[in-house]
Formats: sequence, C-alpha cells, structure tokens
Amino acid sequence: QKEVEQNSGPLSVPEGAIASLNCTYSDRGSQSFFWYRQYSGKSPELIMSIYSNGDKEDGRFTAQLNKASQYVSLLIRDSQPSDSATYLCAVNGGTNFGNEKLTFGTGTRLTIIP
Amino acid sequence: EAQVTQNPRYLITVTGKKLTVTCSQNMNHEYMSWYRQDPGLGLRQIYYSMNVEVTDKGDVPEGYKVSRKEKRNFPLILESPSPNQTSLYFCASSFHRITGELFFGEGSRLTVL
Repeated sequence: QKEVEQNSGPLSVPEGAIASLNCTYSDRGSQSFFWYRQYSGKSPELIMSIYSNGDKEDGRFTAQLNKASQYVSLLIRDSQPSDSATYLCAVNGGTNFGNEKLTFGTGTRLTIIP
Repeated sequence: EAQVTQNPRYLITVTGKKLTVTCSQNMNHEYMSWYRQDPGLGLRQIYYSMNVEVTDKGDVPEGYKVSRKEKRNFPLILESPSPNQTSLYFCASSFHRITGELFFGEGSRLTVL
C-alpha cells in the first residue's frame, strides 16, 4: 500500500466549476497535511496546509481533513484555466514516518476546460 | 527576494563523471532537503539536513552524498553517476524541521548517458 495515494488523473473540470482533489494516507498517526501545486516544468509551490480535522478555507481553495478516514481533499471553487496544474498531496509526521519526513503522493493532473 | 537557488539547471553528463549540484537559500532556513522527481514515482526524498553538520538519509540515498557546512548551502554530490540517476532534482528548504511548508528551488534536470 502506498503511503500517500492520489488519483493520477487527468481530471478535467469546466471553467467556473468546482474541482475536487482527493488524497488518502496510510499512517494513522500523521499530523500535518499539505497541498502543493506544480505547473508543468516548474517547481512545487505550497498552496494549503491543514493540521486539524475539518475545513480550512483560503480564497477559492478549501482543504478538508478527516483523520478518522485518513483522507484529505482540496476543493477549488470557480476553477480558472490558470488552475490547470498537477496537485501534490504531502503528509508529515506520524508513527512510521517521523517528524522529519514529508511524504508526497504522485499527484493529480488537473485540467480546466475553458 | 527570498529564494532557493540551484545550479546547474540542466546538465548532460556521462556515466562515472563526478558532479555536484549546488543549492543555496537566503531565508536563514534551518531545514534543507533534496528530492528527485520521476514520472509515476512522484517526489522522493534523497537526503535532508536539520541544521549545519546534521544530515540524514531519505528514501533513496544510494549513489548520492551531501554536506551541510554552512546554513545556507546544501550541495548534492553524485560521485559516480549512473543512467538510473537521470531525473529532475529539487532542493527545498524550510524554517523549521518539523514542517511540510517547503520552499523549492527551480529544479535541476540531469541526464546521465
């Protein structure tokens, strides 16, 4: 079982709709959760971090965390063509990982269709 | 401007020819790390450093060396590169070691023939 799992996509969403990206993780003791955006040919950039159960909103982005289900998601409202990128889920800490280790999923490629 | 700078950005080399990829950050970050990114495998950690003179292995350290003699610099050394080290390499840094809030360099695309 992969430690951090994401659907590779591609996920195609019409412009203006909500894009929903999902991530599951295997270590129940994981503490911190992150979403990075990576444009083609560029480096990853942090867009959201979440540390406790529930929702965290930042502009058009909402991160959702459910530790009981070991599930973290990213919602992008009013999707724009500029949101087309690969989104990486990353998980830190936990009983197996250790606090120094940040484990990335393989990413979901999102395409916003004008 | 706050940044992580890697050099070279692109490199084609031959098997066995030692090379160094430099990484420097100007944010006074404690934590630095190297990742490689391969299609279908995502980002995998090679080495990390929690502070000066403190380094440790990540998931895929074989064939690589690092050093952290100064806080701002964290070079990645390939003593005898092999074709399976052809990859896209990223250096990243963070203010605290217990965090996933990483700042990434622009990446170094390495091809080993």
